[in-house]
Amino acid sequence: NAGVTQTPKFRVLKTGQSMTLLCAQDMNHEYMYWYRQDPGMGLRLIHYSVGEGTTAKGEVPDGYNVSRLKKQNFLLGLESAAPSQTSVYFCASKGDVPSPYFGPGTRLTVT
Amino acid sequence: EDKVVQSPLSLVVHEGDTVTLNCSYEVTNFRSLLWYKQEKKAPTFLFMLTSSGIEKKSGRLSSILDKKELFSILNITATQTGDSAVYLCAGYNQGGKLIFGQGTELSVKP
Repeated sequence: NAGVTQTPKFRVLKTGQSMTLLCAQDMNHEYMYWYRQDPGMGLRLIHYSVGEGTTAKGEVPDGYNVSRLKKQNFLLGLESAAPSQTSVYFCASKGDVPSPYFGPGTRLTVT
Repeated sequence: EDKVVQSPLSLVVHEGDTVTLNCSYEVTNFRSLLWYKQEKKAPTFLFMLTSSGIEKKSGRLSSILDKKELFSILNITATQTGDSAVYLCAGYNQGGKLIFGQGTELSVKP
């Protein structure tokens, strides 16, 4: 099992550009999450999904969109990147276990 | 609005000291409280607490939940330099939502 993988690991964008972050899991988990983490702060929930075809807003959803067309994938889109979106992005998936499994993170810089 | 608040935000101790980290929560349809350790990568799971008053223990770490007062504490006894990390707590609700506190940055000096 690969667990939770995130693509890409690093990315530099210019203000206004768009991109999609891919999260993939091979554990048949129902729940998937996208978080961002800024220096000195905990993880803030952007969007989450409780099953294929469903999405829900988290604490900081503005400027992001998500899709869960397939159970194993959870996509996070930035339509028009802003410097305030510079952050480390973590994806996680959860099945019938106490804690989610986290991906390794994606470091995004918007200049 | 759901929220999880941790205190203190940072803490510096010496090896051998005992520390207590605090976590208060307001989570709609609360299901469980989770604790994590984070060292410059993805968080590592420590404990899940669902019932009040039952202590979870793992080595020098222990944690307890008070569902009446809506808080949890994480204790670390006989701290070591390897305990230096950010400790995160998170509230999980019955709808699958998992939100984190800001974290406590613990620094253990030799």
